Amino acid sequence: AQSVTQLGSHVSVSEGALVLLRCNYSSSVPPYLFWYVQYPNQGLQLLLKYTTGATLVKGINGFEAEFKKSETSFHLTKPSAHMSDAAEYFCAVKTSYDKVIFGPGTSLSVIP
Amino acid sequence: KAGVTQTPRYLIKTRGQQVTLSCSPISGHRSVSWYQQTPGQGLQFLFEYFSETQRNKGNFPGRFSGRQFSNSRSEMNVSTLELGDSALYLCASRNLDTDTQYFGPGTRLTVL
Repeated sequence: AQSVTQLGSHVSVSEGALVLLRCNYSSSVPPYLFWYVQYPNQGLQLLLKYTTGATLVKGINGFEAEFKKSETSFHLTKPSAHMSDAAEYFCAVKTSYDKVIFGPGTSLSVIP
Repeated sequence: KAGVTQTPRYLIKTRGQQVTLSCSPISGHRSVSWYQQTPGQGLQFLFEYFSETQRNKGNFPGRFSGRQFSNSRSEMNVSTLELGDSALYLCASRNLDTDTQYFGPGTRLTVL
């Protein structure tokens, strides 16, 4: 069965520092992979997605993620953190039955 | 285009009651999915509807049900509410061309 793990339920970075949020997945078929962000009391917003093709995917707000099949990873990065990046981030995989399985989420704090 | 709308945004019920939540997808989107989000279990898939038919179902008891109307609007119903049903219920509509989900702001259900 497909699953998603996110290493680190809480990550703190200084403003201007690199953001790295880790995501590993298991899937028996080539996956579709997603990163979503959730701000307090709001729904989820799509940051970026990987379906096929280029393994480095660029998203909104300066985020990008790289699909590494050999490592079954899809880590999210941003070169320089901004205070407005503080939020909950979810990695997700779309299964062969069209269900989307979400990881447990990583809460990102940005320290001024 | 208007985004996904969910009503009501907040709801307080008591154990044993039933509740109906509503979701209006983005215009032109015919797929609607429902998710339950809790601190302990994270985001869990409830079900997906497409053209008034349930396509997928998560692992929830029969107390959780849904339907979709011809205009793609969807409702989910929870009967015989339990304390553990307290959660944020998120609706997402899907653009089938880009295979991208767009989430509404959610309905916060509190069961007392």
